[in-house]
Amino acid sequence: NAGVTQTPKFQVLKTGQSMTLQCAQDMNHEYMSWYRQDPGMGLRLIHYSVGAGITDQGEVPNGYNVSRSTTEDFPLRLLSAAPSQTSVYFCASSMDGVNTEAFFGQGTRLTVV
Amino acid sequence: GENVEQHPSTLSVQEGDSAVIKCTYSDSASNYFPWYKQELGKGPQLIIDIRSNVGEKKDQRIAVTLNKTAKHFSLHITETQPEDSAVYFCAASRRGRGADGLTFGKGTHLIIQP
Repeated sequence: NAGVTQTPKFQVLKTGQSMTLQCAQDMNHEYMSWYRQDPGMGLRLIHYSVGAGITDQGEVPNGYNVSRSTTEDFPLRLLSAAPSQTSVYFCASSMDGVNTEAFFGQGTRLTVV
Repeated sequence: GENVEQHPSTLSVQEGDSAVIKCTYSDSASNYFPWYKQELGKGPQLIIDIRSNVGEKKDQRIAVTLNKTAKHFSLHITETQPEDSAVYFCAASRRGRGADGLTFGKGTHLIIQP
């Protein structure tokens, strides 16, 4: 049982480059989300989805896009990377809004130079 | 929106002693309060959670207490062991929100001294 899988684990980008962080879950969870973790800041919500075809913004959405075409996958796109997006990114999923335990992936450490 | 404050930022205790981490929240509509443990290089992992209709919950050496009136909740770890060393995060969310609606505290680095 893989749970929540994130790829890649590490990435270095140049300012202005674009990339997609991948997230997949095999638990048939409806709710998925992306958080970023910065030193001394805890985890902050970027975007979330409560089901296929439905996405919404979290606390810090600027510079990021998401889509949810399937229940399993929730990719996060950086359209034009900036040094301020250097962070560790975590994807999480939960069954729904009643069974609310959130399962996190192992994270993607992104450095923008 | 919700705001979660967590204290202390660093906590060092002797092995075998107890550790207490405290959090306060601002949104009276929040009703789900999980605690996560994060080891170096890994994602957060749920260790215990409590809902607003319960005042205390225990799981072996770990317990969480909730005071809805004061809007604060605490994590208690007894008989600490070296493997308890990690960063601990509290969080809060509302009814109907799962992985999409967690507001986290800034974390507590727990150090267990041998």
